[in-house]
Amino acid sequence: DAGITQSPRHKVTETGTPVTLRCHQTENHRYMYWYRQDPGHGLRLIHYSYGVKDTDKGEVSDGYSVSRSKTEDFLLTLESATSSQTSVYFCAISPDKSSTDTQYFGPGTRLTVL
Amino acid sequence: GENVEQHPSTLSVQEGDSAVIKCTYSDSASNYFPWYKQELGKGPQLIIDIRSNVGEKKDQRIAVTLNKTAKHFSLHITETQPEDSAVYFCAASLSSGGYNKLIFGAGTRLAVHP
Repeated sequence: DAGITQSPRHKVTETGTPVTLRCHQTENHRYMYWYRQDPGHGLRLIHYSYGVKDTDKGEVSDGYSVSRSKTEDFLLTLESATSSQTSVYFCAISPDKSSTDTQYFGPGTRLTVL
Repeated sequence: GENVEQHPSTLSVQEGDSAVIKCTYSDSASNYFPWYKQELGKGPQLIIDIRSNVGEKKDQRIAVTLNKTAKHFSLHITETQPEDSAVYFCAASLSSGGYNKLIFGAGTRLAVHP
């Protein structure tokens, strides 16, 4: 898992509640990413970070925000969860000494919004 | 923007047979093509990749071929084994504002029957 942990691994929540998912890495990689995985869609980029406090939007960023106050942690927040955000969320990193397109994924968080 | 199509969506083979998964991409500027294997309940694992200056790459029983003119690339698995059963994803990388964005195919579920 390239030194990546995600927490929680499973979460069930109700519509309208805030949810924060955490990605933690142990190897000080600069680039970190959040993806969601849905049947028939592969993986789609939500947000990415290229350093502490440096983040940008991906292709499906509506309804999500991110924060990166430390190199090792990248947080994904759903301010007010909706049923359409039921998905499996993956964090990924790019090793600093490689091109940013080589990415390694964490184990994932399965989120269910009722 | 870039679009990646992957075929077939499901593939069933007998142990020892070969398996081929094909992907096409739309943007000729794409220059990096990774393949990921995802086992049930786990994150995608990078298994092989190829850059646009190479036509073929092999790693033991797996190989990837790239046809830049036709904008398609393929994953070949020879002498398949039951442990090859998983979902496989292709992706294409496109440079976007200093960052290399990965666009994923929808995935192929491979089943290898003993």
